[in-house]
Amino acid sequence: DGGITQSPKYLFRKEGQNVTLSCEQNLNHDAMYWYRQDPGQGLRLIYYSQIVNDFQKGDIAEGYSVSREKKESFPLTVTSAQKNPTAFYLCASSIGLAGLAGGLWNEQFFGPGTRLTVL
Amino acid sequence: DQQVKQNSPSLSVQEGRISILNCDYTNSMFDYFLWYKKYPAEGPTFLISISSIKDKNEDGRFTVFLNKSAKHLSLHIVPSQPGDSAVYFCAASATGANSKLTFGKGITLSVRP
Repeated sequence: DGGITQSPKYLFRKEGQNVTLSCEQNLNHDAMYWYRQDPGQGLRLIYYSQIVNDFQKGDIAEGYSVSREKKESFPLTVTSAQKNPTAFYLCASSIGLAGLAGGLWNEQFFGPGTRLTVL
Repeated sequence: DQQVKQNSPSLSVQEGRISILNCDYTNSMFDYFLWYKKYPAEGPTFLISISSIKDKNEDGRFTVFLNKSAKHLSLHIVPSQPGDSAVYFCAASATGANSKLTFGKGITLSVRP
C-alpha cells in the first residue's frame, strides 16, 4: 500500500530538548511538506521540499529544521528555540514540481500526524 | 494577512439536509482550489477540487462551486450524513507557486441524526 507514515503518533518532550519527527512516503512524490495545526487554526506551513537535498522555509519556520537526504524521507526537528512547540504536526507529499500546471500536481496527501506535547 | 478565509467556524445541519460550506480568497493568482476533510487526531484527506477554468465540479454527494468574480467557493454536501461530521478545510494554490497550498482555518460540520 502506498502512503505516508509519521512516527510516533504521540510524543512528549521536556522543555529545552530537541526532538525529531519522522515522515516517510512511498508514493514516489518529489515534493514534501510539514505543517502544524493548533486549535482553531488552519494548517500552517513550516518547511517544504521540492526535490532531494533542497528545501525552503514556509510561513512559520523559526525554531524548526529539516533535511531531505532521500526522496522518501523528510524529518522535522523541533528545536529548543521553538517557543510554543506543543501542536499537532502533519506531513504531506505531492507529485508537484515548481512551475508545472496546477491541478493534480497540487493535490497533497497527508500522513496521520504526530501530537507533540512539551512538558 | 489571511489569503483563504473560512469565516464561519462551525455549521450544524440535520441528517438528510444540505450542508453548504463557504470559503473566500483574496489572492487573484489562485487558480486551483481543494477541499479537505479532517477527523480529530488524523491527517486531512482530499475530498474534491476545482480548477479556475470551471465553475462547478461534482463528485457523488459533493459539489464545489467557484465564483471567480466574487473570489468565493462553496462546498455542497447533499444529502448530509452523520459520517460527514468533521472539520473541512478549504485550500488554494497558484500555478507555478511551488505547489504550495494556502489553507483556511477550517469549518467544523456537525450532522445531527
